[in-house]
Amino acid sequence: DAGVTQSPTHLIKTRGQQVTLRCSPKSGHDTVSWYQQALGQGPQFIFQYYEEEERQRGNFPDRFSGHQFPNYSSELNVNALLLGDSALYLCASSLVWGGTEAFFGQGTRLTVV
Amino acid sequence: KQEVTQIPAALSVPEGENLVLNCSFTDSAIYNLQWFRQDPGKGLTSLLLIQSSQREQTSGRLNASLDKSSGRSTLYIAASQPGDSATYLCAVEVLEGDMRFGAGTRLTVKP
Repeated sequence: DAGVTQSPTHLIKTRGQQVTLRCSPKSGHDTVSWYQQALGQGPQFIFQYYEEEERQRGNFPDRFSGHQFPNYSSELNVNALLLGDSALYLCASSLVWGGTEAFFGQGTRLTVV
Repeated sequence: KQEVTQIPAALSVPEGENLVLNCSFTDSAIYNLQWFRQDPGKGLTSLLLIQSSQREQTSGRLNASLDKSSGRSTLYIAASQPGDSATYLCAVEVLEGDMRFGAGTRLTVKP
């Protein structure tokens, strides 16, 4: 059973560019959440998608947007990249939203130069 | 606003010791609490999930407790091994899908 998979694993972008990160949830899971983890800190919630809609959103600017496809996979888009966007981006999936165990992917390491 | 704190920030123990990691949160209105393990530069591996109505969960050498009223959880690791070396994170789910994390405890188990 494939777990949560993310691509790419590493990415280097220039300030001002746009980036798209991808996530495939664990088999049978229909809910995808995205987190940003800066070095030495715990992950911070960006947003969650369920039934192709954004259901919850953390304290992140509109430069961060997402999408969920009918097969439950998801994309995270970040526009107008800043140096401070450099972080490990983690995707988590769960079965329905609220109160169930979350499973995380290996993350995408984004470096903005 | 929910704040999650983990103490200690780092811990070094000899192999074979039993140890306790602590997690505290400021708001008892949570869906659940989950403990994770993270190896350097890697994703999170789920260890234990405790629903808000539960008091503890056990898996192998791991035991986690939850006291919602006092805003505390502990992760007990028995007979620690070098392979247990990692960062341990606790997280509380405050809204559907919105998990708040502590900064983690970095554990080193020396052979």
